[in-house]
Amino acid sequence: NAGVTQTPKFRILKIGQSMTLQCTQDMNHNYMYWYRQDPGMGLKLIYYSVGAGITDKGEVPNGYNVSRSTTEDFPLRLELAAPSQTSVYFCASSLTGNEQFFGPGTRLTVL
Amino acid sequence: AQSVTQLDSQVPVFEEAPVELRCNYSSSVSVYLFWYVQYPNQGLQLLLKYLSGSTLVKGINGFEAEFNKSQTSFHLRKPSVHISDTAEYFCAVSKAGGGADGLTFGKGTHLIIQP
Repeated sequence: NAGVTQTPKFRILKIGQSMTLQCTQDMNHNYMYWYRQDPGMGLKLIYYSVGAGITDKGEVPNGYNVSRSTTEDFPLRLELAAPSQTSVYFCASSLTGNEQFFGPGTRLTVL
Repeated sequence: AQSVTQLDSQVPVFEEAPVELRCNYSSSVSVYLFWYVQYPNQGLQLLLKYLSGSTLVKGINGFEAEFNKSQTSFHLRKPSVHISDTAEYFCAVSKAGGGADGLTFGKGTHLIIQP
């Protein structure tokens, strides 16, 4: 049981570039989440999904997009990278919508 | 909406001493409460959770927390810390009964264990 996996671990982007952060879980959880973590700020919810085909915005969705075509995968897309998107991104999943299991994170730098 | 306040951004403690990390929350509805730990360059790991029942909950690594509804607090305690407890600790809250809204996190407390 790998739990929640994320790729890549690290990435440097130039302003205006795009990329997709991958997230996969093998626990058959319906709920999945994307958070960003900035120093001294805790975690902020970007997007979440309650099941395949259903996604919704969280607290800080601007500049991001998501899709959920399968139960296992929940990719996060950055279309036009900006320096303000420099952060550590965490994907999480949950069976009930309460206790969440987190991936190891992706550290993104936009220069 | 819920909010979480972790009153201390940094707590230095000597090894084998007791520690308390403070967490207060605000919510207009019933909540579930969580403490997560983040070791350097790693993801978040659940330490313990309060969903219902006994207000004193025990978690992994010898940590425990007490839910106090009247004071809207969920402080984390350990009677004797070890150097390996050095990490960032996050308090989080969600609406009771589950749901898709995700967790609302505090800003974190950095626990520094001094030898």
